[in-house]
Amino acid sequence: GDSVTQMEGPVTLSEEAFLTINCTYTATGYPSLFWYVQYPGEGLQLLLKATKADDKGSNKGFEATYRKETTSFHLEKGSVQVSDSAVYFCALYTNAGKSTFGDGTTLTVKP
Amino acid sequence: EAGVAQSPRYKIIEKRQSVAFWCNPISGHATLYWYQQILGQGPKLLIQFQNNGVVDDSQLPKDRFSAERLKGVDSTLKIQPAKLEDSAVYLCASSLGTNTEAFFGQGTRLTVV
Repeated sequence: GDSVTQMEGPVTLSEEAFLTINCTYTATGYPSLFWYVQYPGEGLQLLLKATKADDKGSNKGFEATYRKETTSFHLEKGSVQVSDSAVYFCALYTNAGKSTFGDGTTLTVKP
Repeated sequence: EAGVAQSPRYKIIEKRQSVAFWCNPISGHATLYWYQQILGQGPKLLIQFQNNGVVDDSQLPKDRFSAERLKGVDSTLKIQPAKLEDSAVYLCASSLGTNTEAFFGQGTRLTVV
């Protein structure tokens, strides 16, 4: 079946450090890929998405590129802020509507 | 635009009791999802509706869980009887269609004691 594997956390960085959170997937067909973020005390919200190979999703300084050859969708940010502290989830949705989420990576950014 | 509404926010019940959760999706969203999120894990899809029809309920424990989406709008998820391992956050999400961005509600935190 489909699966999403995320880099295990927690991840702790200093402000302005570079962030990478790895995400790899297995799926049949050509899923759409998403990164969701959950800030403390809030619900899940979409951070960025990519719907086909080589697409780059970007939002709030975060980027991720849909790499079909490596089945990856790694999340990156050049300079993190304290306000980026949250739990990040990688997810895929297939054309048939099936959705699979990773287990989440907790990011803590210290001033 | 109003978001996905869920109630209650919190629920504590004893094992073997029953419980129901309610979800009101974003207006016009045809697809509705119920997820179970156990602490430390990602959301796991329980059931997906397209309008008022079930698209996928392969991971729904049908011996105790049931869900309905009457008139293709609101939805309820019921657990009867509850077990200790059902303690989790139950998330409702909706989207315009399959394979598109899903918008999540705040969730209902269920504790079974």
